[in-house]
Amino acid sequence: QLQLQESGPGLVKPSETLSLTCTVSGGSISGSTYYWGWIRQPPGKGLEWIGRIYYSGSTYYNPSLKSRVTISVDTSKKQVSLKLRSVTAADTAVYFCARIYGNHFYMDVWGEGTTVTVSS
Amino acid sequence: DIQMTQSPSSLSASVGDRVTITCRTSQSISSYLNWYQQKPRKAPKLLIYAASSLQSGVPSRFSGNGSGTDFTLTISSLQPEDFAAYYCQQSYSNPYTFGQGTKLEIK
Repeated sequence: QLQLQESGPGLVKPSETLSLTCTVSGGSISGSTYYWGWIRQPPGKGLEWIGRIYYSGSTYYNPSLKSRVTISVDTSKKQVSLKLRSVTAADTAVYFCARIYGNHFYMDVWGEGTTVTVSS
Repeated sequence: DIQMTQSPSSLSASVGDRVTITCRTSQSISSYLNWYQQKPRKAPKLLIYAASSLQSGVPSRFSGNGSGTDFTLTISSLQPEDFAAYYCQQSYSNPYTFGQGTKLEIK
């Protein structure tokens, strides 16, 4: 069945760029019904929507992060990437990637998440 | 942004109890409301989508109701594995905001 796996550095220095990759296995990344999204969860807190991308490359970002975030897709590698620039301690969180069903935009498949700490 | 108000923030209940969690939105979202369960150190799991549709593989003791601005998640008879955190999420407009969560604990 479809599986998502996040990967990337677990520690990022303040003011630098956080870069994560989500690798899709067991299914297609190019299906017309689905989008791919990133969500994060600071320690002990709730969930925050970061943004989503379609396999064609069209994106939709949370306005609160839009100036710092880029989501991209590489269909040949079946990967979705997240870049978050100029990070601060407030960006410390578990970062999840997820498949989004296009008709109602709910997240039906999630990766296990990866912890990113912003610290010098 | 659409504001989500989820209540209660925590709840103590016993195995076999019927529990209801409420989610209210700051504007009408039709039926674009989803519910997730999250256990410690795990990813969220989709339970209910489009306000009342049960995700495949989710036990039928979970049900969702509502439309517009007021929604509920009901667990008809709590099982030991149901003790977790629950989040509502609106998917009507960007950003797709989440409720602050309800922590369901064993009494």
